Amino acid sequence: AQTVTQSQPEMSVQEAETVTLSCTYDTSESDYYLFWYKQPPSRQMILVIRQEAYKQQNATENRFSVNFQKAAKSFSLKISDSQLGDAAMYFCAYRTGTSGTYKYIFGTGTRLKVLA
Amino acid sequence: ETGVTQSPTHLIKTRGQQVTLRCSSQSGHNTVSWYQQALGQGPQFIFQYYREEENGRGNFPPRFSGLQFPNYSSELNVNALELDDSALYLCASSLGGPATGELFFGEGSRLTVL
Repeated sequence: AQTVTQSQPEMSVQEAETVTLSCTYDTSESDYYLFWYKQPPSRQMILVIRQEAYKQQNATENRFSVNFQKAAKSFSLKISDSQLGDAAMYFCAYRTGTSGTYKYIFGTGTRLKVLA
Repeated sequence: ETGVTQSPTHLIKTRGQQVTLRCSSQSGHNTVSWYQQALGQGPQFIFQYYREEENGRGNFPPRFSGLQFPNYSSELNVNALELDDSALYLCASSLGGPATGELFFGEGSRLTVL
């Protein structure tokens, strides 16, 4: 069975600084997708970034980028130039790429605090 | 704004009662999934519906059931409520079938079971 582990329950970063959130996963599959979702206090989960396992190039979305290490089964999120609006819970998620039930497996989350 | 709305936003029930939670997705979003998020945890997959048929189920008992309607709305029903059912219930929809990547989440329904 696949698992997702986020070992940092809480992280803090100064406004305008850079922070990296860690995520490791375990799977025997070769085809899968990885995601980072943001859940602000309003509760609505929002997709931050996605990575297809077959792509070697790390995904980037503006100030957000990932470091995808497939062999190490590591998928960290880097937030550059942190802003107050980045404060939220961040969830790493795994989804199988093969046919079947496309359920997402989420980690326990990392609460990010942004200090002014 | 994801275009997914859930109701009610909060509700309180007592043990043994039944509850129905509702979700309205964007037009064309023919796949809907439901997740349970206990306090301080990540969401746990309950089940997924595609074109009004259950397409997969997580490790939840049969008293958790669902429906998906042709108008892109769906329901989650929970019978014989237990204290451990207290959680945030999230609906998530996607466009184009279960294999597509991005899920669009609603804000959730916070269920408290006393």
